[in-house]
Amino acid sequence: GDSVTQMEGPVTLSEEAFLTINCTYTATGYPSLFWYVQYPGEGLQLLLKATKADDKGSNKGFEATYRKETTSFHLEKGSVQVSDSAVYFCALSGNTGKLIFGQGTTLQVKP
Amino acid sequence: DAGITQSPRHKVTETGTPVTLRCHQTENHRYMYWYRQDPGHGLRLIHYSYGVKDTDKGEVSDGYSVSRSKTEDFLLTLESATSSQTSVYFCAISELEREKLFFGSGTQLSVL
Repeated sequence: GDSVTQMEGPVTLSEEAFLTINCTYTATGYPSLFWYVQYPGEGLQLLLKATKADDKGSNKGFEATYRKETTSFHLEKGSVQVSDSAVYFCALSGNTGKLIFGQGTTLQVKP
Repeated sequence: DAGITQSPRHKVTETGTPVTLRCHQTENHRYMYWYRQDPGHGLRLIHYSYGVKDTDKGEVSDGYSVSRSKTEDFLLTLESATSSQTSVYFCAISELEREKLFFGSGTQLSVL
């Protein structure tokens, strides 16, 4: 069945460092791909999405490119801030129409 | 912010007791979902609904039932709570299938 695998955390970075969180997926057909973010004590909220191969989703300085050849959707940001500290979830929506989430990656940014 | 209210926000209960969690939306979205969040597992789908009285099972539905008698309300019931059901439960809604989900703030459930 469909699945999503994320790099294990926690990821600890200094402010203004470059961020990469790896995400790979297994799915039949052509899934849509998403990154969600969860701030402490809150529910998840959509960060960005891509619906077809080579699409780049972007929001708040974060980017991710839908790479069908490597079945990946890595999240990147050029310069992280303390306020980016959160848990990040990669997810896909495949033929079933249901969202399948990865296990989440905790990011901690230190001043 | 999408109008989603989960109640209660926190609950402590004993093994074997029934528990009902409520999700209320003011967005008139067709699709509603119940997820549980556990360390190392991310979010896992318990049940979902695609319309009033139309529900189906997710990947971890054993021990849970749901009901949706009105568009705005989606109830999750643990018929006889077990310690393995200690978790954070999130309700989510979406207007279209395969589209982005809006999440509630979660319910922390502890089964002792």
